[in-house]
Amino acid sequence: NAGVTQTPKFQVLKTGQSMTLQCAQDMNHEYMSWYRQDPGMGLRLIHYSVGAGITDQGEVPNGYNVSRSTTEDFPLRLLSAAPSQTSVYFCASSLVAGGPSEQFFGPGTRLTVL
Amino acid sequence: AQRVTQPEKLLSVFKGAPVELKCNYSYSGSPELFWYVQYSRQRLQLLLRHISRESIKGFTADLNKGETSFHLKKPFAQEEDSAMYYCALLGGGNQFYFGTGTSLTVIP
Repeated sequence: NAGVTQTPKFQVLKTGQSMTLQCAQDMNHEYMSWYRQDPGMGLRLIHYSVGAGITDQGEVPNGYNVSRSTTEDFPLRLLSAAPSQTSVYFCASSLVAGGPSEQFFGPGTRLTVL
Repeated sequence: AQRVTQPEKLLSVFKGAPVELKCNYSYSGSPELFWYVQYSRQRLQLLLRHISRESIKGFTADLNKGETSFHLKKPFAQEEDSAMYYCALLGGGNQFYFGTGTSLTVIP
């Protein structure tokens, strides 16, 4: 199993550009989520999904869209990048939604918006 | 509001000394709490969860509902314990809340 994979590893955007961060898992996990990690802020939940076709907003959803058309994939779209979105983005998945399921994290995508 | 507080950004201890990483939470329901760890150049990974009442790599954490705390403890720190530690809470609506993290350095 590859686990949770994320592409790209690094990305530089100009303000106003759009892009999609890819996340995939091959563990047949129900729950997938996106976090951003900023210095002094820890990890903050952007969006999450409890299954294919179901998504919901986390703590900091503004400026981001998600979709979950398959169990495996959970892409994160930046609609119009802003410097405030410079961050490290982590995708995670767990077997089931809710309960004490372990979350498995991807390697992260380091995004810089100029 | 659901929140997790880790008051120490940085913590340094000598090898062999006890270590305690503090975590306090705010949640009106019955909390499910976790400790995650990120070693240098590795992915964030689960260290332990309170419901399992387990000891992983010598670490334990006890849920104290009265003090709303879930401190992580190890009696004898090792150099390989140097890492970033995050306390996390599973709140309502299947949302996870992470603390700001504590960077632990174990001095040889």
